[in-house]
Amino acid sequence: GAVVSQHPSWVICKSGTSVKIECRSLDFQATTMFWYRQFPKQSLMLMATSNEGSKATYEQGVEKDKFLINHASLTLSTLTVTSAHPEDSSFYICSAMVGAGTDTQYFGPGTRLTVL
Amino acid sequence: SQKIEQNSEALNIQEGKTATLTCNYTNYSPAYLQWYRQDPGRGPVFLLLIRENEKEKRKERLKVTFDTTLKQSLFHITASQPADSATYLCALAANSNYQLIWGAGTKLIIKP
Repeated sequence: GAVVSQHPSWVICKSGTSVKIECRSLDFQATTMFWYRQFPKQSLMLMATSNEGSKATYEQGVEKDKFLINHASLTLSTLTVTSAHPEDSSFYICSAMVGAGTDTQYFGPGTRLTVL
Repeated sequence: SQKIEQNSEALNIQEGKTATLTCNYTNYSPAYLQWYRQDPGRGPVFLLLIRENEKEKRKERLKVTFDTTLKQSLFHITASQPADSATYLCALAANSNYQLIWGAGTKLIIKP
């Protein structure tokens, strides 16, 4: 149980284009999802907290107009990187909490984004 | 600001021995701390959670300790196996919104 999927697993795009990454909880409803970015050999950096039906809460320094998050249902959150640039190339990972009051986050397998 | 540190150097352990990884933190009193395993190109996998009022937690060959005075958690793998080779991350609860602050991880290599 508590499986989280991400799609795509990797994507290569040209600079200036937009890329959408999906995060799905497959066997549970996730009221809260988190989006992280991870650079090689570095720790996970929280980008935003996404609650179903409300606007995402972005961490300081994360541009909300560049990284659009939509948590449309209890099983799906999407991250759209708009007007991507090479410096946006990174490993993007989502996680979901099983339910309110629980402490464990279950992570998706990640999406490798490369912007040329 | 909160800071969480893990040994950045890879830890090489002989198969069968106990591997011990360290996680130190400063400027915070977390309600709980978690350990995750991450394989290359994959998302983290939850292993154990230990709360501030717990000294030790075990799960099969894994053991976690939590010393809030020293602001340190130790993660032990007993009878280590090559399949245990991975990067191990610690994370502490930043606030009541369940946000986590992450260490950079320690790469563990178990040699046969």
